[in-house]
Amino acid sequence: QSALTQPPSASGSPGQSVTISCTGTSRDVGGHNYVSWYQQHPGKAPKLMIYDVSKRPSGVPDRFSGSKSGNTASLTVSGLQAEDEADYYCSSYAGARGVVFGGGTKLTVL
Amino acid sequence: QLQLQESGPGLVKPSETLSLTCTVSGGSISSSSYYWGWIRQPPGKGLEWIGSISYSGSTYYNPSLKSRVTISVDTSKNQFSLRLSSVTAADTAVYYCARLIVVVQVDPWGQGTLVTVSS
Repeated sequence: QSALTQPPSASGSPGQSVTISCTGTSRDVGGHNYVSWYQQHPGKAPKLMIYDVSKRPSGVPDRFSGSKSGNTASLTVSGLQAEDEADYYCSSYAGARGVVFGGGTKLTVL
Repeated sequence: QLQLQESGPGLVKPSETLSLTCTVSGGSISSSSYYWGWIRQPPGKGLEWIGSISYSGSTYYNPSLKSRVTISVDTSKNQFSLRLSSVTAADTAVYYCARLIVVVQVDPWGQGTLVTVSS
């Protein structure tokens, strides 16, 4: 059982927007702004998409955005494209527990 | 461009020790700005942080694995290593090495290496 809770699946049609949630507690997600999101295509290593809740690394399209409210962080993918189909994982600093991940969400582009 | 590459046996027997090395190229491991870590992913499952180390040797381990994990760094070789003792089938996973920037900003990742625990 993962420390952070994500929906197992999400979907949307090309051009639409999809939001993936990541729920933790005040000891992790809600306690600071160290939340990251990763994209993982089958057979590949994860790729950093969002860090510090809402910041994008260089090279990540601005279609990807992050936010947080209380103990829940969210990743929104706008203008869905076929190549966005992948697994997405959230991650948070959790104090003495170190780094914790969500169970992952499989995003399907219909 | 910083790159990381895992190396080590792909098959380990139950109760033995899993040993992996990560070689960093395109940059120095001796930077006070970063930590270096190991993350694993059992087949078909999610990600699990194993632990992290600084260039000076300061370590942080997942509490659930702490009794079996040792992470070390060799700055002369620009490498860091993972040892996981008393392995069982539950330790079968793809093991990734990675750079950690400010705690949970993991970038980049190595390509990963599958380690199977089986007799």
